[in-house]
Amino acid sequence: EPEVTQTPSHQVTQMGQEVILRCVPISNHLYFYWYRQILGQKVEFLVSFYNNEISEKSEIFDDQFSVERPDGSNFTLKIRSTKLEDSAMYFCASSVGVGGSGQPQHFGDGTRLSIL
Amino acid sequence: GNSVTQMEGPVTLSEEAFLTINCTYTATGYPSLFWYVQYPGEGLQLLLKATKADDKGSNKGFEATYRKETTSFHLEKGSVQVSDSAVYFCALSDGYFNKFYFGSGTKLNVKP
Repeated sequence: EPEVTQTPSHQVTQMGQEVILRCVPISNHLYFYWYRQILGQKVEFLVSFYNNEISEKSEIFDDQFSVERPDGSNFTLKIRSTKLEDSAMYFCASSVGVGGSGQPQHFGDGTRLSIL
Repeated sequence: GNSVTQMEGPVTLSEEAFLTINCTYTATGYPSLFWYVQYPGEGLQLLLKATKADDKGSNKGFEATYRKETTSFHLEKGSVQVSDSAVYFCALSDGYFNKFYFGSGTKLNVKP
């Protein structure tokens, strides 16, 4: 069964450094998302991406964050200058269509980001 | 606005016990509802879904019915197994925006 893959599984970075998290969505999916889960807290929406542009972003997704689909397969999340509070599990997801039509989002196993 | 509220865990049951995990929601439109499961060290896996009122989603012995009158989507299983030990997340998507709204998750521990 096709799946969303994320790399790396764990990333350790010094505060203030840039980090890029990578994702390969399911090949025929059109919508792409990033979520994060701070330890012990809810899974929170960061951004959705469709047709090569951001369709929605949350308040968390400030100017330090950016997303890109550099080719036909990869979908990346960049954090420009990491802060301690960026430490979290970051999940990539993709879907064929929008959730309201019953289309589920398929999640990767996540990248655990640890900021020192 | 949209939100999902789940019962707090952890929930500890003996094998073959009956499971209910409560989930209620607030939504401005006509949402689709989902249950996801997260096993230790893994990502979120879709367990079941329902797209309209009175729909019942089911998978692997788990069931949930979309109740619009009580804005609920409670997860049930008649006889849990040790392998069901995981964190369960209720989620909704209103369809207008693509994002999912998740509950806080309920950890289930099943003892042999």
